[in-house]
Amino acid sequence: GNSVTQMEGPVTLSEEAFLTINCTYTATGYPSLFWYVQYPGEGLQLLLKATKADDKGSNKGFEATYRKETTSFHLEKGSVQVSDSAVYFCALRDNTGTASKLTFGTGTRLQVTL
Amino acid sequence: DTAVSQTPKYLVTQMGNDKSIKCEQNLGHDTMYWYKQDSKKFLKIMFSYNNKELIINETVPNRFSPKSPDKAHLNLHINSLELGDSAVYFCASSQGVLSSGNTIYFGEGSWLTVV
Repeated sequence: GNSVTQMEGPVTLSEEAFLTINCTYTATGYPSLFWYVQYPGEGLQLLLKATKADDKGSNKGFEATYRKETTSFHLEKGSVQVSDSAVYFCALRDNTGTASKLTFGTGTRLQVTL
Repeated sequence: DTAVSQTPKYLVTQMGNDKSIKCEQNLGHDTMYWYKQDSKKFLKIMFSYNNKELIINETVPNRFSPKSPDKAHLNLHINSLELGDSAVYFCASSQGVLSSGNTIYFGEGSWLTVV
């Protein structure tokens, strides 16, 4: 079956540090890949997505590249801010089945301090 | 305007009660979902409806019954609530089922606490 593996959290960084949150996946066919963010007390928001190999999704300074050869979709940001503190979820959607659904990783909590 | 809205946002109820969470989307999407997020933040799909028809039904106790009166609504009814049902329930929607370009949009979540 499909699965998504994310690095264990929490990740604690100082403001302006470089961020990487690793995400690897197992899926049949050619899934679409997503990063969702959940700020404290709020729902899930789509952060970025990539629908085919070598695509780069980017938003709000975050980016992730769909790497089929390594089955990875690592999230990166060059300089984090305190306001980026949240839980980040990597997810995939298998586009080969009869019904579309997202399979999520376990989430990685990011804490950014001054 | 909220694209996917769910009510109530917070719900505290006693074991054994029956409760419903309502969801509405104004995006014109034809597919809606319910996801459950447990205390460890793990998210898992429960149900999905496409054009009011059930297309995904994961292993969920039959105390949980989704109802889709029309494409824009997908309500979740839970009978005989148990402590383990305490979680955040997210409604979501998307346009289409098989398109690789579509995005799933989530509501803000409903925090259910069973005491």
